[in-house]
Amino acid sequence: DAGITQSPRHKVTETGTPVTLRCHQTENHRYMYWYRQDPGHGLRLIHYSYGVKDTDKGEVSDGYSVSRSKTEDFLLTLESATSSQTSVYFCAIGTGDNYGYTFGSGTRLTVV
Amino acid sequence: GDSVTQMEGPVTLSEEAFLTINCTYTATGYPSLFWYVQYPGEGLQLLLKATKADDKGSNKGFEATYRKETTSFHLEKGSVQVSDSAVYFCALSQKSGGTSYGKLTFGQGTILTVHP
Repeated sequence: DAGITQSPRHKVTETGTPVTLRCHQTENHRYMYWYRQDPGHGLRLIHYSYGVKDTDKGEVSDGYSVSRSKTEDFLLTLESATSSQTSVYFCAIGTGDNYGYTFGSGTRLTVV
Repeated sequence: GDSVTQMEGPVTLSEEAFLTINCTYTATGYPSLFWYVQYPGEGLQLLLKATKADDKGSNKGFEATYRKETTSFHLEKGSVQVSDSAVYFCALSQKSGGTSYGKLTFGQGTILTVHP
C-alpha cells in the first residue's frame, strides 16, 4: 500500500538461521505493528511500537525480537528460525485511536 | 481477553446473491469494530468501521451495524460481484490505558468466492 513497504517479499531460509524482515514507512506514523497470518488463526500480533525505541510484545512474541531506531523503519528479527515460523508476515502502520491500519503487502517466509 | 469469532467458511455464492458474514466479539468496554478485506496476494485493506454502538459502517455496497446488545458486527451486501471474491476479516480495537495503541484483534477470516 502507498507509504508502507515490506522487504523482502519472499524468503526461504534454513532452520536455525537468523532472519530480519524490514518494514519501511514514508508517512511518519507513530505506531507500527508486526502480525503473522496463518490459516485458521487470522492475524496475530507479534510486536508493536509506539515510537522510536519504544516497543512491546504482542500475543505471539516468543522467538521474535524487534527494533525501531528510526521512525520510518521497524525491523522484525527471528534469531534462530524454526519451521513453526513459516508464515506470511504483515507490517501495519496506524494513527491509533480507532482509525484502523494501513497494511504492507506482506512477506512470505518459508523455513525449511 | 478480547476475541473475535467469524462464521466458518468458505462461502460460495453466485453473482448478485445476498451476502452475510457473521461476526461476534467478546470485549470489555466499548471497542471499535472493523471489517478488512484481503484480495489474493495482497495485504489487508480497511473496508469499513464503526466506533460506537448503533453506528453503521458502509463502503462499496457493504454494510455492518455495531450491535452492542448482541455483541455483533455482521457484514452484509445486497448483490455480490465476482470481484468481491476475497478473504474478509472482522476485527476490534481497544484503547490501552491512557494511550491509544489501537491494537487490533482479528477473527480467523472468511473466504468468499463468487461465481459468475
